[in-house]
Amino acid sequence: KQEVTQIPAALSVPEGENLVLNCSFTDSAIYNLQWFRQDPGKGLTSLLLIQSSQREQTSGRLNASLDKSSGRSTLYIAASQPGDSATYLCAVRPVQGAQKLVFGQGTRLTINP
Amino acid sequence: GAVVSQHPSWVICKSGTSVKIECRSLDFQATTMFWYRQFPKQSLMLMATSNEGSKATYEQGVEKDKFLINHASLTLSTLTVTSAHPEDSSFYICSAGGTGGRELFFGEGSRLTVL
Repeated sequence: KQEVTQIPAALSVPEGENLVLNCSFTDSAIYNLQWFRQDPGKGLTSLLLIQSSQREQTSGRLNASLDKSSGRSTLYIAASQPGDSATYLCAVRPVQGAQKLVFGQGTRLTINP
Repeated sequence: GAVVSQHPSWVICKSGTSVKIECRSLDFQATTMFWYRQFPKQSLMLMATSNEGSKATYEQGVEKDKFLINHASLTLSTLTVTSAHPEDSSFYICSAGGTGGRELFFGEGSRLTVL
């Protein structure tokens, strides 16, 4: 059974810092991995999608990497801003599991002005 | 990106009543939609897979008679919480992907409070 873990559970940093969020998964047989952002009381916004054959994806100040063999992904946020404060969720799509996703617990990020 | 819309965004009901939540894919057709439940400060837990024109597939431990799912068209799935109780209070989120879609898109979520 696939399990996804995110470390740390919460992170607070001053504005302007670069930071890394970590995601690990137990079964390396995945179809893709997706990073989401969730603001309090809101739904999920997709940030980056990495297919199993890819190593990384970039969008603006965000860079996500994938090391499938070691079961790890990182989300790198450059030059953090207070508006980046949110919960970041990592989710994997198992090869056998059609389109359903397995989510990590999330990292609650606070960027202090 | 594709848009998935949920309605209502929040609802308060009395214990024992039934509540229906709609999930619509606004600019694409979705043969499959997914319903998740999220408790405060916890992650999303898949409840069921909604299949257009056929019965939903429920995850282990989810009561199918309590959480009725109907996927009558390629753009609409509904979740009905029947005889709701306070323990059903939660944040319900749906997701959908387009045909052959690799990326899943999520609705804004519906917060249910049962008094």
